[in-house]
Amino acid sequence: AQTVTQSQPEMSVQEAETVTLSCTYDTSESNYYLFWYKQPPSRQMILVIRQEAYKQQNATENRFSVNFQKAAKSFSLKISDSQLGDTAMYFCAFMKRSLGNTPLVFGKGTRLSVIA
Amino acid sequence: ETGVTQTPRHLVMGMTNKKSLKCEQHLGHNAMYWYKQSAKKPLELMFVYNFKEQTENNSVPSRFSPECPNSSHLFLHLHTLQPEDSALYLCASSRMGLADYNEQFFGPGTRLTVL
Repeated sequence: AQTVTQSQPEMSVQEAETVTLSCTYDTSESNYYLFWYKQPPSRQMILVIRQEAYKQQNATENRFSVNFQKAAKSFSLKISDSQLGDTAMYFCAFMKRSLGNTPLVFGKGTRLSVIA
Repeated sequence: ETGVTQTPRHLVMGMTNKKSLKCEQHLGHNAMYWYKQSAKKPLELMFVYNFKEQTENNSVPSRFSPECPNSSHLFLHLHTLQPEDSALYLCASSRMGLADYNEQFFGPGTRLTVL
């Protein structure tokens, strides 16, 4: 079974600064995907960024980037130039790669507050 | 309506009540999911439906009964719930097959309180 651990229940960052959210996971699978999801207060969960485990290059999406360390089973999210709209719960998630649907396995989440 | 919608957004019920949660997706997907989001716990997958067939039941108690009449609609029927069932229930949908990755799109959730 896979597990995802987010060791930072809450974090805060000043507007325009950079913040890094941590995530570690445990799996015996070799082919999988990792994700960061964002859940703003009272709003829908949306996908922020996705990383394929077979790719060595770290994924980036505008101000969001990841540091994927496969051997260490670490997958951190860096948010640059933080904005007030980045305030949300952030969930790290794992999915085994296979045809058909395999479940997402989530961490407990990190509550990020961006302070003006 | 676009994306994934859920009704009601908030629900308060007694332990002896029977209620249903509804999810509808407008994305042309053929797989739908129920997740439970409790405070200070990871999101837990409850059920998966692919092409209206249940393909996953993650050891969910029988007081939760899912129904998927078609690819666009998913229900979660609730009866004789316990206070510990209070949580945010999230619905999601995705395509199924053709690729080894299909993004899941989430609804806004139903906040359930069991008294």
